[in-house]
Amino acid sequence: ETGVTQTPRHLVMGMTNKKSLKCEQHLGHNAMYWYKQSAKKPLELMFVYSLEERVENNSVPSRFSPECPNSSHLFLHLHTLQPEDSALYLCASSQDTSRSEQYFGPGTRLTVT
Amino acid sequence: GESVGLHLPTLSVQEGDNSIINCAYSNSASDYFIWYKQESGKGPQFIIDIRSNMDKRQGQRVTVLLNKTVKHLSLQIAATQPGDSAVYFCAENRKDSSYKLIFGSGTRLLVRP
Repeated sequence: ETGVTQTPRHLVMGMTNKKSLKCEQHLGHNAMYWYKQSAKKPLELMFVYSLEERVENNSVPSRFSPECPNSSHLFLHLHTLQPEDSALYLCASSQDTSRSEQYFGPGTRLTVT
Repeated sequence: GESVGLHLPTLSVQEGDNSIINCAYSNSASDYFIWYKQESGKGPQFIIDIRSNMDKRQGQRVTVLLNKTVKHLSLQIAATQPGDSAVYFCAENRKDSSYKLIFGSGTRLLVRP
């Protein structure tokens, strides 16, 4: 276990649904990240939060909406997704946004039908 | 364009042999490199890192080599074990973005018994 948990582990949703992914870290870290991992693309950074403030929005469509209510929790709110959004969504945390090791959760496997 | 890439998508080795996984990068401004291992159903796990002021770094059964002249990175695993079967990613970090990791597409390592 890395100290980063994600729920749900699997999610199937229709294009008109609204759902949320949850990430929790138990490491006392100050930075949290959302990544997208597709079958044919390298891991892509989506969002970065440092001390609950967003410091990176990597040209992600507005149908993905992150939320960081405190330094231990990170959400990714999903609405009106497209089939091409099907992927593994990984959460990670690190001590801070300097070059500190990033610890990844197990991911949420999302399928958009 | 700038990229981090891997030479081989799949590497098959005999148990007990040494494994070498290669990675090329194109941005000479990158000065920090990390290797991650991702097992099935899990998120990436940090293995070892190296800074550009070094050309070699050793860990437990793993060695990372950095050749800045040809922008090449390799991960050597000694006495490969079945538990080493996974996808291995290299990632680069550029001086101007301390937390932003650019990942390669990954190499799958298969260990034959």
